[in-house]
Amino acid sequence: DGGITQSPKYLFRKEGQNVTLSCEQNLNHDAMYWYRQDPGQGLRLIYYSQIVNDFQKGDIAEGYSVSREKKESFPLTVTSAQKNPTAFYLCASSIGIGGGAAYEQFFGPGTRLTVL
Amino acid sequence: QKEVEQNSGPLSVPEGAIASLNCTYSDRGSQSFFWYRQYSGKSPELIMSIYSNGDKEDGRFTAQLNKASQYVSLLIRDSQPSDSATYLCAAPGAGGTSYGKLTFGQGTILTVHP
Repeated sequence: DGGITQSPKYLFRKEGQNVTLSCEQNLNHDAMYWYRQDPGQGLRLIYYSQIVNDFQKGDIAEGYSVSREKKESFPLTVTSAQKNPTAFYLCASSIGIGGGAAYEQFFGPGTRLTVL
Repeated sequence: QKEVEQNSGPLSVPEGAIASLNCTYSDRGSQSFFWYRQYSGKSPELIMSIYSNGDKEDGRFTAQLNKASQYVSLLIRDSQPSDSATYLCAAPGAGGTSYGKLTFGQGTILTVHP
């Protein structure tokens, strides 16, 4: 089955720790994205990547880091510098640049991060 | 002005009624528009895409796009309790720093009551 997987589903972190959220897709999509969603809020873009070995900051990149070493994988690290990391983290992918249907983003099931 | 704005809601309709969800956008260059449905505790699911002016129908869902007025709407006919969810409108930027990204509205919570 083609799709996007995220792991773990739930993650608990102590203050001061870095944690890495996994995102893998087998849709052969070029572009991948990380969003953060807080209760009752919309989606806010953290980082995105349109091609392997390249990525751009989104609207709220501070305290986060990413890598894109493989087309299929786009892990997100939440560092200790992120002041309020408790949130629902969503990974998405799309065909990529091209307009129209290339912009359609498909989401993984998400990871709920809680800082203790 | 926010790039993508949705009617604030929450919206409550009786079962069998038509639910109307509205979205306005600020970037006149946007060419593609998307509606996502998000059930509580779940991730967003793409339900409609529309690229040209007019209506696009898919089952009980109809997306309407009016580029001159910069709005896009989603109509749900014969609403069912299973349609109760948050609906997100999204649009890409036309270029420059927005290229390749989608901007999402805040979402409208829809409740369909029996």
